[in-house]
Amino acid sequence: ETGVTQTPRHLVMGMTNKKSLKCEQHLGHNAMYWYKQSAKKPLELMFVYSLEERVENNSVPSRFSPECPNSSHLFLHLHTLQPEDSALYLCASSQDTYNEKLFFGSGTQLSVL
Amino acid sequence: SQKIEQNSEALNIQEGKTATLTCNYTNYSPAYLQWYRQDPGRGPVFLLLIRENEKEKRKERLKVTFDTTLKQSLFHITASQPADSATYLCAPTDSWGKLQFGAGTQVVVTP
Repeated sequence: ETGVTQTPRHLVMGMTNKKSLKCEQHLGHNAMYWYKQSAKKPLELMFVYSLEERVENNSVPSRFSPECPNSSHLFLHLHTLQPEDSALYLCASSQDTYNEKLFFGSGTQLSVL
Repeated sequence: SQKIEQNSEALNIQEGKTATLTCNYTNYSPAYLQWYRQDPGRGPVFLLLIRENEKEKRKERLKVTFDTTLKQSLFHITASQPADSATYLCAPTDSWGKLQFGAGTQVVVTP
């Protein structure tokens, strides 16, 4: 148990569906992150939030929409995804933005049909 | 552009032996370097951090070295066990704390 919980663990969706990924951290951290991990590729940073404010958006397509209602919760809203968006989506937190150590959740394995 | 290279081929090793993984980086001057372990279908777990002014860091059976001249970090697992089988990610980190992950090296320890 790392203190970062992600739901759902697995998600299959069609290209026209709308779904949301949820992340909750129980560590009292101030920063939260969304990463994408495709097979055999490095983790790609998607979004960074510090105290509910988005501080980085790495040229992510608008079909991915993050939301951070408070410092403990982070959502990733998905709509009209493409098959190439199929990947493991990981949430992470750290004490402060770009702090030394990241704590990751178990991820959501997403398949887009 | 910044590039991080880890052995893409799996490292197969016999139980009890030492596994050595390599992380090379180019066009990058990290202030420190982190190593994470990732099991299939799970998120990475932090293992060790070594700073640019440290040559070597140890934690139980793990040892990390950092050579800023060679732009390389080595990660050693001594007396390896089947439970050490996983993918190991290196993550050079700049002075602002921004890190980039390598693609990882899979380690398979056989009894």
